[in-house]
Amino acid sequence: GAVVSQHPSWVICKSGTSVKIECRSLDFQATTMFWYRQFPKQSLMLMATSNEGSKATYEQGVEKDKFLINHASLTLSTLTVTSAHPEDSSFYICSARSGGGKNQPQHFGDGTRLSIL
Amino acid sequence: QKEVEQNSGPLSVPEGAIASLNCTYSDRGSQSFFWYRQYSGKSPELIMFIYSNGDKEDGRFTAQLNKASQYVSLLIRDSQPSDSATYLCAVNPTKAAGNKLTFGGGTRVLVKP
Repeated sequence: GAVVSQHPSWVICKSGTSVKIECRSLDFQATTMFWYRQFPKQSLMLMATSNEGSKATYEQGVEKDKFLINHASLTLSTLTVTSAHPEDSSFYICSARSGGGKNQPQHFGDGTRLSIL
Repeated sequence: QKEVEQNSGPLSVPEGAIASLNCTYSDRGSQSFFWYRQYSGKSPELIMFIYSNGDKEDGRFTAQLNKASQYVSLLIRDSQPSDSATYLCAVNPTKAAGNKLTFGGGTRVLVKP
């Protein structure tokens, strides 16, 4: 149980392209989804928290106009990196939790490795 | 002071031995605690979670929580080379909005055959 699917696994694209990453909870309803970014040999960095049907809450320093998050249903959240540049190259990972208080763990997708040329 | 602190390692452990990982946290009101394992180049996977003081065992893994001392630990018994990974401690602080987790920097574990 608690499977989170993330797609695509790898993206290589030219600078200026917009890239959409999907995160799906396959066997549970995810009231909250999280988006993280991780640079090589560094810790996970939370970018934003998204709740189904409402606007995402972004962490300090994360540009909400550059990283668009949509959580339109209880099983799907998307992250769009708009006008991506080489400095946006990173490992993007989503996680989902089923709600019900602070004790519910987050379950992670497999991540998306984004390379901007 | 970081909110969640872990020794970065590497923690080198001979195969078959016990690996002991520690994590301290600053928010005394934290309620839930999680251990994740992350292999190089992969995303984190949940190993265990613990909410109450004491020990919780799951297979070769034991999580220990001491809220008075504000630490949580993970023991890996009969360590295998496949246990070589970075182990992330995560805490749900009381003041966190949206139930987000605060992660430690991770402890890298190397199990040598």
